[in-house]
Amino acid sequence: EAQVTQNPRYLITVTGKKLTVTCSQNMNHEYMSWYRQDPGLGLRQIYYSMNVEVTDKGDVPEGYKVSRKEKRNFPLILESPSPNQTSLYFCASSRQHRGRTTDTQYFGPGTRLTVL
Amino acid sequence: SQKIEQNSEALNIQEGKTATLTCNYTNYSPAYLQWYRQDPGRGPVFLLLIRENEKEKRKERLKVTFDTTLKQSLFHITASQPADSATYLCALDPFSSGSARQLTFGSGTQLTVLP
Repeated sequence: EAQVTQNPRYLITVTGKKLTVTCSQNMNHEYMSWYRQDPGLGLRQIYYSMNVEVTDKGDVPEGYKVSRKEKRNFPLILESPSPNQTSLYFCASSRQHRGRTTDTQYFGPGTRLTVL
Repeated sequence: SQKIEQNSEALNIQEGKTATLTCNYTNYSPAYLQWYRQDPGRGPVFLLLIRENEKEKRKERLKVTFDTTLKQSLFHITASQPADSATYLCALDPFSSGSARQLTFGSGTQLTVLP
């Protein structure tokens, strides 16, 4: 089954304790992306990756890191989480054509993060 | 500045009626526009994509129009059912001239179909 998986699905942590949210896709997609979703603000892009070892900032990258060492995985790293990073996080993947994302993005089930 | 606006945060309609959701954008020249459905606590699910050279696209009870002059897309659900209740997001490709591209989302319209 074609899917994007995220782990963990729920996480409660404390300020300053480094954490990683994993994302994996089995569709051989070149493009992967992380979003956060907050009430009234919609989905905002954090980082995206056009291919292995190619990453770039989205609209709200501050406080986050990503890596793309393998095509299927795109982990999101919070080196020193703060309460304002409490949010619902989604990973997504998509095919790419001529350097641009095409067609549909497939989203993971989401990770609800609470930073105390 | 660039902006995507979806009509009212919430829309209630009676079962069997046609729901019409609006997505307006400013300062973009998108190559295409997409519509997604999102249920509470779950990831968005792709519904339809319409390209800039297409006026209308249909899929079963769904219809999307795209007016690049008005900078607007309309999303219609005909013969609506309570199971259609969800938040609907529009997303567009900013058609950046750079090599990278981001998909930008509206904040969504929450549709409730009343039985």
